[in-house]
Amino acid sequence: AQSVTQLDSHVSVSEGTPVLLRCNYSSSYSPSLFWYVQHPNKGLQLLLKYTSAATLVKGINGFEAEFKKSETSFHLTKPSAHMSDAAEYFCVVTLWGGKLIFGQGTELSVKP
Amino acid sequence: GAVVSQHPSRVICKSGTSVKIECRSLDFQATTMFWYRQFPKQSLMLMATSNEGSKATYEQGVEKDKFLINHASLTLSTLTVTSAHPEDSSFYICSARPKSTGDLYGEQYFGPGTRLTVT
Repeated sequence: AQSVTQLDSHVSVSEGTPVLLRCNYSSSYSPSLFWYVQHPNKGLQLLLKYTSAATLVKGINGFEAEFKKSETSFHLTKPSAHMSDAAEYFCVVTLWGGKLIFGQGTELSVKP
Repeated sequence: GAVVSQHPSRVICKSGTSVKIECRSLDFQATTMFWYRQFPKQSLMLMATSNEGSKATYEQGVEKDKFLINHASLTLSTLTVTSAHPEDSSFYICSARPKSTGDLYGEQYFGPGTRLTVT
């Protein structure tokens, strides 16, 4: 069965410092993985997606994620946090047929 | 491109009444649309999968007679919450999968959500 676990419910960083949001997945086949961001009372925006083409995936706003099959991980990183990055982040795995399974979410706070 | 809209963005209704939420794909055709529910500070929970021209498929525990879904065209799906009660108050989000997207990738585009408050 497919599942995804976000290891931190809340991450706090200072502006200008690196961001690491951790995600582990479980899948019985080669998964498609996504990271979405949700700002307060807003819908979800796709940050990046992994679809087996390349293990290091670059997304929007300077975010990237690395797919590590041996560790079943898909951690999201950004070299330097900006105040506007404060939001809720979801790691998502897709089932065949298009259903998405969401992780629990990680709230990112950015301190000035 | 790939914009999904929802209407209304916010709605307040009285207990016992019904409310309809629209989800539209503005610049693409969507054979499949999904409806999610999100409680405060929680993740999204899939309620149902809506395929154009056929009955929606509901997730376990979701009352299909309470949450009526209609996907009448390739660009419009509606969710009607019937006989709403305060416990139905939530953030409802739809997503749409482009007609050209293969099943393997499942990329979806999300609407901005509808905040429903039942008094």
